Amino acid sequence: QKEVEQNSGPLSVPEGAIASLNCTYSDRVSQSFFWYRQYSGKSPELIMSIYSNGDKEDGRFTAQLNKASQYVSLLIRDSQPSDSATYLCAVNRDNYGQNFVFGPGTRLSVLP
Amino acid sequence: DAGITQSPRHKVTETGTPVTLRCHQTENHRYMYWYRQDPGHGLRLIHYSYGVKDTDKGEVSDGYSVSRSKTEDFLLTLESATSSQTSVYFCAISNPGLKTDTQYFGPGTRLTVL
Repeated sequence: QKEVEQNSGPLSVPEGAIASLNCTYSDRVSQSFFWYRQYSGKSPELIMSIYSNGDKEDGRFTAQLNKASQYVSLLIRDSQPSDSATYLCAVNRDNYGQNFVFGPGTRLSVLP
Repeated sequence: DAGITQSPRHKVTETGTPVTLRCHQTENHRYMYWYRQDPGHGLRLIHYSYGVKDTDKGEVSDGYSVSRSKTEDFLLTLESATSSQTSVYFCAISNPGLKTDTQYFGPGTRLTVL
């Protein structure tokens, strides 16, 4: 079992819809969780970080964390064509960076 | 990418030649990392540094070495490049601590080994 798993996609949603991206992780001691967006040919950029169970909202983005189920998700409301990118889930198993593990990414396509 | 630069941005080299990639940061972050990104594998950690002259291996360190003589610079060296090292290389920085462990990425270096 891979440490961090994501559906590779592509996930296609129409413009204005809600895009739901999912991530599961295997290490129960993981403490912090991140969503990065990566446009083709560009570097990953941070969208959200989440550390506690529940929801965290930032604009059109909502991250959801359920440590008991080892599951973290990202919802994008009112999806725009500019949201089309690959979304990387990352998990840090402690407070120090050497235990960062990235998922393979989910490619999202928002159709006009 | 603010505060993190990588050089060169693109490089084509031949098998067996040495290659050095440079990461430079202006954020004074303690930790620096080198990742490679390949289709089907995602981002994989090569080496990281937790301070000047303090480095350690990551998941895919074979064939790579690193050095950090100043806080702001982290060098990745391929002593004898192989075709399997063709990849996109990203540098990242962070200042780990309570709830501040976010990693920020540089623009990347696309390396092709012929």
